[in-house]
Amino acid sequence: AQTVTQSQPEMSVQEAETVTLSCTYDTSENNYYLFWYKQPPSRQMILVIRQEAYKQQNATENRFSVNFQKAAKSFSLKISDSQLGDTAMYFCAFTSATGNQFYFGTGTSLTVIP
Amino acid sequence: GAGVSQTPSNKVTEKGKYVELRCDPISGHTALYWYRQSLGQGPEFLIYFQGTGAADDSGLPNDRFFAVRPEGSVSTLKIQRTERGDSAVYLCASSLAPGLAGNEQFFGPGTRLTVL
Repeated sequence: AQTVTQSQPEMSVQEAETVTLSCTYDTSENNYYLFWYKQPPSRQMILVIRQEAYKQQNATENRFSVNFQKAAKSFSLKISDSQLGDTAMYFCAFTSATGNQFYFGTGTSLTVIP
Repeated sequence: GAGVSQTPSNKVTEKGKYVELRCDPISGHTALYWYRQSLGQGPEFLIYFQGTGAADDSGLPNDRFFAVRPEGSVSTLKIQRTERGDSAVYLCASSLAPGLAGNEQFFGPGTRLTVL
């Protein structure tokens, strides 16, 4: 069975600073995909970044980047130059290459302080 | 609109009643998913449709829950004899190519169900 663990229920960061959200997962699969989704109070889940397990290079999307450590089964999200609009719940998610459902962590509530 | 839509946005019902939650996926998306998100938790998978058929319903908690997608587009999640423990946000998502893992799932805003 796949499990996703986010050990930081809440975090805060000063505007313009950098913050890292942690995620670990457990799977016996070798080929899979990892995601970070953002969920603001509007409840709309928005894709932040995606990583393919067979790619060694860490994914980057503007101010968002990941540190993917396959051997350690770790997938952290780094947000640089934090903005007030980054305040939201952040969910780490896993899907196997052969599956269809996503497995989500319990989320990290991020607050960006002005 | 181009996104996934869900109606109603909020539903309050009494214990024992029947409810239907509707999802309109993005046009052309053949894959559709239902998730349930309880307070303080991440979304949990309920069911996945490929076209009109339920390809994986392993996440449905019991036989009070049922979902249909008769024409391969709109889907309805049906809950019979609702219980207070069914209170949650029900999220719908859709994606393009079926079975291609890693394809982004586009989520709707959810329906918040409250069972009194």
